[in-house]
Amino acid sequence: ELKVEQNPLFLSMQEGKNYTIYCNYSTTSDRLYWYRQDPGKSLESLFVLLSNGAVKQEGRLMASLDTKARLSTLHITAAVHDLSATYFCAVDMRGGADGLTFGKGTHLIIQP
Amino acid sequence: DAGVIQSPRHEVTEMGQEVTLRCKPISGHNSLFWYRQTMMRGLELLIYFNNNVPIDDSGMPEDRFSAKMPNASFSTLKIQPSEPRDSAVYFCASSPGRGAADTQYFGPGTRLTVL
Repeated sequence: ELKVEQNPLFLSMQEGKNYTIYCNYSTTSDRLYWYRQDPGKSLESLFVLLSNGAVKQEGRLMASLDTKARLSTLHITAAVHDLSATYFCAVDMRGGADGLTFGKGTHLIIQP
Repeated sequence: DAGVIQSPRHEVTEMGQEVTLRCKPISGHNSLFWYRQTMMRGLELLIYFNNNVPIDDSGMPEDRFSAKMPNASFSTLKIQPSEPRDSAVYFCASSPGRGAADTQYFGPGTRLTVL
């Protein structure tokens, strides 16, 4: 059974600081997805990482994928309050033939 | 494009009643997914379709749950009879291609409460 683990699950940080969210998964996959969810809202796609060594950046967020270590990171640079949300990583179950298995999510609070 | 459309947005029903959730995927998308989100279990895949055909329903929790996709622009998820433990937010998502290789676009969700 594919398992996706995120840490930390809760993170409170100050504006202007840097931090990294980690996502480990238990089986071979070269596709990893990051989503954002605001309270009471739907999921918004942030990044799709499709190969080992892939790195994508959008604003203050940067995601990377190491398929050998089965690890993805989401790095936040100089955090701002608007980035407060829950962040999910997800992995496809069997090499792209199925739906996604999600981590539990990282609830991020950025305080002024 | 209007994105993935789900209805109703909120549903409150009593135990034992039938519940039908509806989804209209993004036009031109070939894959459709139903997920359930709860505090205890997080986000879980229930079933997914490709070109209107169910590919994997192993996530459907019980026979009380059924899903159909009669055409490329409409899908339903039915629960009959409903139970309090079915209370959750149900999301529909669609993607352009087969499976999860493409980005999945999520609808706004249906918040179901079973009393």
